[in-house]
Amino acid sequence: EDQVTQSPEALRLQEGESSSLNCSYTVSGLRGLFWYRQDPGKGPEFLFTLYSAGEEKEKERLKATLTKKESFLHITAPKPEDSATYLCAVQGYRANNLFFGTGTRLTVIP
Amino acid sequence: DSGVTQTPKHLITATGQRVTLRCSPRSGDLSVYWYQQSLDQGLQFLIQYYNGEERAKGNILERFSAQQFPDLHSELNLSSLELGDSALYFCASSVGQGAFPYEQYFGPGTRLTVT
Repeated sequence: EDQVTQSPEALRLQEGESSSLNCSYTVSGLRGLFWYRQDPGKGPEFLFTLYSAGEEKEKERLKATLTKKESFLHITAPKPEDSATYLCAVQGYRANNLFFGTGTRLTVIP
Repeated sequence: DSGVTQTPKHLITATGQRVTLRCSPRSGDLSVYWYQQSLDQGLQFLIQYYNGEERAKGNILERFSAQQFPDLHSELNLSSLELGDSALYFCASSVGQGAFPYEQYFGPGTRLTVT
């Protein structure tokens, strides 16, 4: 059965204090690993798709990396506007839907 | 803005009632997915439609049903509502079924409150 575990559950950072969020996954045949950002009461906003181990993608202060067992979302010099819940999801070859983790709630303090 | 639209934004109704949630996918997307997000469970997949046909079912209750119309918009019908059905309901769309690129784009959601 597909499984996604995100850690930590919550993270508080000072503005400018870099850190990483972790997503550990188990899936039978990885089609893709996805990162989304979700603000309270809003729909998840697509950030990245990673397809194979060793792949990296960057967008502004965010960088996502992928290994065979986990993915990291690195946040460099975060700003208060980066505060949100970051969701990791996987899609296996046996299913078309996304299987989500419970997210990491990030708070960046000015 | 993802290009996926959902109506209504908020819905408040009583136990035992029936409601319909509506979703229009991004232009060109043929697949529509419905997800439920509650405080204690995170995002859970309910059902997928592709070009008008049901393609996959997740943790969808028998009291819930969905359909996708020829213009590709989709409706999620929730009946005999219970307090525990209170949640955010999201629709997502993607280009195809199992077709590259695989990412799904989410709508703004409908917040359902059952009293």
